[in-house]
Amino acid sequence: GQQLNQSPQSMFIQEGEDVSMNCTSSSIFNTWLWYKQDPGEGPVLLIALYKAGELTSNGRLTAQFGITRKDSFLNISASIPSDVGIYFCAGSSNTGNQFYFGTGTSLTVIP
Amino acid sequence: EAGVAQSPRYKIIEKRQSVAFWCNPISGHATLYWYQQILGQGPKLLIQFQNNGVVDDSQLPKDRFSAERLKGVDSTLKIQPAKLEDSAVYLCASSLNLVGHRGEQYFGPGTRLTVT
Repeated sequence: GQQLNQSPQSMFIQEGEDVSMNCTSSSIFNTWLWYKQDPGEGPVLLIALYKAGELTSNGRLTAQFGITRKDSFLNISASIPSDVGIYFCAGSSNTGNQFYFGTGTSLTVIP
Repeated sequence: EAGVAQSPRYKIIEKRQSVAFWCNPISGHATLYWYQQILGQGPKLLIQFQNNGVVDDSQLPKDRFSAERLKGVDSTLKIQPAKLEDSAVYLCASSLNLVGHRGEQYFGPGTRLTVT
């Protein structure tokens, strides 16, 4: 199965800093999802994107559907300690609604 | 609205033993997914159900893994016999998947399996 590439693999930032991460695919997708996973828990859906160029916010989180439809970006502004976790992207071409997941970006926020 | 329920949360078994996991999706969700998540990796799809029919099981190791969703609601995933490399978190997810719906998946807490 296809796996999406996420970068960076890990980030260590100071509380209050902004964070940017991205996800790339070799295939064109029609839907991008961004999830956050805490240790010992299942992924929690943060943002869903459906159209190339779309920019969607959820509080301090903003995600964009890349124009090429082969990438997506997630930004977190003014990070706080509870932002710590692993962020996954997932993309789908809508064929049977199968989603392929990225390799994850581990975020550590230093108070 | 209740989320996706999974049980057990943790399971430790010896290799060659059998194990079963249970999932109850969000009420009304037609599509159910089982994923395997190995430590440090993203979830990998094992099988996808639409109601009680299999949509995709291309990545399910069918010699040892089986899954069913008999009444189109709950689902069970079984491993028989287990191998050391099956140690992972097994995640269940569901989505509404009606015409015009975008297919966002909602995950359960997962079952952490350790095979010794």
